[in-house]
Amino acid sequence: QQQVKQSPQSLIVQKGGISIINCAYENTAFDYFPWYQQFPGKGPALLIAIRPDVSEKKEGRFTISFNKSAKQFSLHIMDSQPGDSATYFCAASRVPTAGTGRRALTFGSGTRLQVQP
Amino acid sequence: NAGVTQTPKFRVLKTGQSMTLLCAQDMNHEYMYWYRQDPGMGLRLIHYSVGEGTTAKGEVPDGYNVSRLKKQNFLLGLESAAPSQTSVYFCASSRTSGRAGAYEQYFGPGTRLTVT
Repeated sequence: QQQVKQSPQSLIVQKGGISIINCAYENTAFDYFPWYQQFPGKGPALLIAIRPDVSEKKEGRFTISFNKSAKQFSLHIMDSQPGDSATYFCAASRVPTAGTGRRALTFGSGTRLQVQP
Repeated sequence: NAGVTQTPKFRVLKTGQSMTLLCAQDMNHEYMYWYRQDPGMGLRLIHYSVGEGTTAKGEVPDGYNVSRLKKQNFLLGLESAAPSQTSVYFCASSRTSGRAGAYEQYFGPGTRLTVT
């Protein structure tokens, strides 16, 4: 059961354009939604994250839009640059399982972004 | 700080062989995780640890064992490797769980394992 569905699988954008990656989730208990960026041969690194009490969060050229009623969130990369070419993963986590204190991350399947110069 | 390191970086095993992947972190994090990454499937949690001497199963634990004898190290073992375990393995660590967003998972560079 895929709890976080991510699209598209791959994306090609021209330099200066807007990249948009979408995710949808099923579990209404999720309350933390991070995006991770992964360059080839490297591990994922946190890019930006949002909680469901806000509808948008912006950090530089990166913006998360969140729609709680639709159970969807998206990453927008403004003025996309060749250096943004990477794989992007959305993820979600929920309140820790009772007794464990652990916040598990459920990842989407990833989007390979290519920004052409 | 080196952050999260993993050894080895690459390994080729024959079916039935065993091996151990080592993860080390120098950030004094309580929580450590092992994920596997397969094309089109994102990252899936294998096992995790909430502290020294404690481990628990994640989403896809079958065929793997783990140990956390020291706070800074988390070992992933494959007792009898199978071709289905061909994957890229990532270790991650984080601070203790708190309010949403109060922690971030820091990932190592990965180990690419091929089982023939």
